[in-house]
Amino acid sequence: DAKTTQPTSMDCAEGRAANLPCNHSTISGNEYVYWYRQIHSQGPQYIIHGLKNNETNEMASLIITEDRKSSTLILPHATLRDTAVYYCIVRRDRGSTLGRLYFGRGTQLTVWP
Amino acid sequence: ETGVTQTPRHLVMGMTNKKSLKCEQHLGHNAMYWYKQSAKKPLELMFVYSLEERVENNSVPSRFSPECPNSSHLFLHLHTLQPEDSALYLCASSQDRAGSGAPGANVLTFGAGSRLTVL
Repeated sequence: DAKTTQPTSMDCAEGRAANLPCNHSTISGNEYVYWYRQIHSQGPQYIIHGLKNNETNEMASLIITEDRKSSTLILPHATLRDTAVYYCIVRRDRGSTLGRLYFGRGTQLTVWP
Repeated sequence: ETGVTQTPRHLVMGMTNKKSLKCEQHLGHNAMYWYKQSAKKPLELMFVYSLEERVENNSVPSRFSPECPNSSHLFLHLHTLQPEDSALYLCASSQDRAGSGAPGANVLTFGAGSRLTVL
């Protein structure tokens, strides 16, 4: 699986958009970009995933660059409850190793009042 | 009950004790996982079960023994643990569509975790 690089930490003011970047320059054509988050001492929570088109759901938007070497997770109106570690993971959606997610250190997002 | 439920939420045990962590999923998934999260370390994948068969064991010491009696239940049996085994143990489940190409096959649902302290 392609390796990902994320900033260690980011801050965001409550009510503002939080834009979390992820670099995955070695991504291959059949690999999806997944985002999870983990609020302190809880289990990780799935947020969103995409292949090459931008995606949006009730939690966030995912913007993937045209060359697919980087992506940005956007929380449009961050709240204090969005303070968490955010993980960007690149995985294939086929094959015998489905679901074996390997989490890096992620980005600690702190939303302040 | 919905989602993935883990019990107990907190466990303190001595090094000579035998205890078990339990995980139950109510999502109709066919794959279940154990992850370990030590302080200030990334999550580590320990075991994977697909259709009740263990398909991955990431060099986990034998003092951790998983059991998957059916697709809804997963156990982690613990014996003669060490203090460095103190960690948050997380269970997850997913719908394993290996080879089907169905998008979203890597969407895991995690439980809240069991916080283990070994004295």
